[in-house]
Amino acid sequence: DIVMTQTPLSLSVTPGQPASISCKSSQSLLHSDGKTYLYWYLQKPGQPPQLLIYEVSNRFSGVPDRFSGSGSGTDFTLKISRVEAEDVGVYYCMQSIQLYTFGQGTKLEIK
Amino acid sequence: EVQLVESGGGLVQPGRSLRLSCAASGFTFDDYAMHWVRQAPGKGLEWVSGISWNSGSIGYADSVKGRFTISRDNAKNSLYLQMNSLRAEDTALYYCAKGGVAIPSLNWFDPWGQGTLVTVSS
Repeated sequence: DIVMTQTPLSLSVTPGQPASISCKSSQSLLHSDGKTYLYWYLQKPGQPPQLLIYEVSNRFSGVPDRFSGSGSGTDFTLKISRVEAEDVGVYYCMQSIQLYTFGQGTKLEIK
Repeated sequence: EVQLVESGGGLVQPGRSLRLSCAASGFTFDDYAMHWVRQAPGKGLEWVSGISWNSGSIGYADSVKGRFTISRDNAKNSLYLQMNSLRAEDTALYYCAKGGVAIPSLNWFDPWGQGTLVTVSS
């Protein structure tokens, strides 16, 4: 099974400041089709998760451009350029190259 | 607007069965794979099962294989999860989620329903 490890597990950020979350996979997420199957979700309090980023760096429909994803192989990063109050919640990375597994989640709170 | 509405959760004793349903609307249901993802209280996310557009390809997490059965009825725009031999560790909020493509692999999930709570306890 592929294990997804996120750091940090919690983050406290002042509005307007940047934030960064790391996600490492136990195996490469690069498929033979050339795509890398790594995704980022945000679960806001009391809500189901919502897709932010697909295939490492593609923002999903309606996702603000302050969110960006990067990385390759086994190391990935989600960055928020300027955190806003509405960004609070738990962020999860997920792989789908071998079934599906999620990271433990990173809780973002506002200072 | 895409809508996914789960139902069928509740309190059930260990070893008993429960059937979850998910009613879909707002999209062409039989164009997409569908999935169940669960979240134990205060915990993270765990993919449970996925099914292709035509039910021809199905996958399960090892934790539920042999006990849970996913199915769909495209005529009714509905997804199901038959859960047998339930255990305390199956206690979770069960989400129905739409896949991004027709097959259940190499996929993303969006959107998700609000979930239905399953509690396994004596």
